[in-house]
Parts: sequence; C-alpha cells; structure tokens
Amino acid sequence: QVKLVESGGGLVKPGGSLRLSCEAFGFTFSDYYMSWIRQVPGKGLEWVAYTSSSGRTIEYADSVKGRFTISWDNAKNLLYLQMKSLRAEDTALYYCATWELRGAFDIWGQGTMVTVAS
Amino acid sequence: SNELTQPPSVSVSPGQTARITCSGDALPKQYAFWYQQKPGQAPILMIYKDNERPSGIPERFSGSSSGTTVTLTISGVQAEDEADYYCQSVDISGTYVVFGGGTKLTVL
Repeated sequence: QVKLVESGGGLVKPGGSLRLSCEAFGFTFSDYYMSWIRQVPGKGLEWVAYTSSSGRTIEYADSVKGRFTISWDNAKNLLYLQMKSLRAEDTALYYCATWELRGAFDIWGQGTMVTVAS
Repeated sequence: SNELTQPPSVSVSPGQTARITCSGDALPKQYAFWYQQKPGQAPILMIYKDNERPSGIPERFSGSSSGTTVTLTISGVQAEDEADYYCQSVDISGTYVVFGGGTKLTVL
C-alpha cells in the first residue's frame, strides 16, 4: 500500500528546534519531488518547502526560509524537516506529500502536529 | 501577485451544481490543481492540470480554466461532497507553490 507516515511532532518552546520525519511505504522517494505543507487547525493549507530527489533543487516559503531545512535519506526512504528558531506562528499540522514539479501534490501523509508554546 | 483567491464559502442543495472559483495572475501560464479536504483528513487531489481527473474521482467533479480564473464544478452535488476545497498552483516563475485560501462547500 502506498502511503506516507510523518512523525516527530510535539510541543516545543519558542526559539526551540524540532525535526520532523516522513517515511514512504510502497514506493521510492527517488521517483518524486517531496514537499512539506502545513495547516493551522481550522485554517488553510500553506506550502513550506520542496526538494527534488537529487536534492539539487530545494525551495522554501518566505515564512520559513533561513529557519527550516528540508532533506532526505534516500537509502532509508526518509524525508526530514529540520525546524529551528520556532515561533508561535509555526504551530500547525505538518504534512509531507509527493509533488510533481510545477504540478500536484499526489500522495499525502496524515500529518504530525507541531505546537510552539511556552 | 502570488496569491490565489477563492470565495470563503459556497452553498448548494443536493442534486444542484456547485461552482468554486479560484483567481490568480499566474493562472493563464500555470496549471491549477484542486483538493478536497474533509474534517480530520488529509487533502485529496480531485483535479490536476486545470481539468484532468485522477482515477477514482467521480465524474461529477470537473475543472475548467478561463484567463486568470479556474473553476471547480461539482455536478449533481451529494451530501458527501460537503468539504473544504483548495486550489493550488505555482507562481509565474514556476518556483513557489501557492494555495488558495479554501472554500467551504455546504450541502444544504
């Protein structure tokens, strides 16, 4: 069964760090671009970052640029989002998803919740 | 502008046709995609490349494009179609992903 499973969310203090993981089942990351998307509960979707399978093409939303780093371990089929200098406004459900360049988010995980609060 | 603008809400009676619009300056040059999201669930891709339907998506869902506006049309709306719908595209350069603010479809 093709699916993505996120993990690593939790409660962190403002200014703190957290690393999210996304594991793929039933397919290989190297066939896709991969992305992180977040959603504040009750609000809309916000794209966070994407990476090509080679890692040579990486882009970030302005709201996280310089604080978040997307990466992946092809051997382990794991995608990561390293988040630093976290702010209250980073509180959201974080989804990973497969992406086609300039295209659609096809396969989504169920998300992992990040709460930034003191 | 990198924004996509959707109406916050659309209401329709069962069996009627719902139309949800999405406007953005880059849409004449970039494809649009539509997602359905029900409470507590991850989004599901409903329409890709303006008007293509992924396998498994009911035929009552269709997409169209005209200039700076794309439209998701749901013909013969059913109660199960009640959900939030998001359009998505990229900016004019094709670099940054953008989502519309979402439209809550209410089936009366």
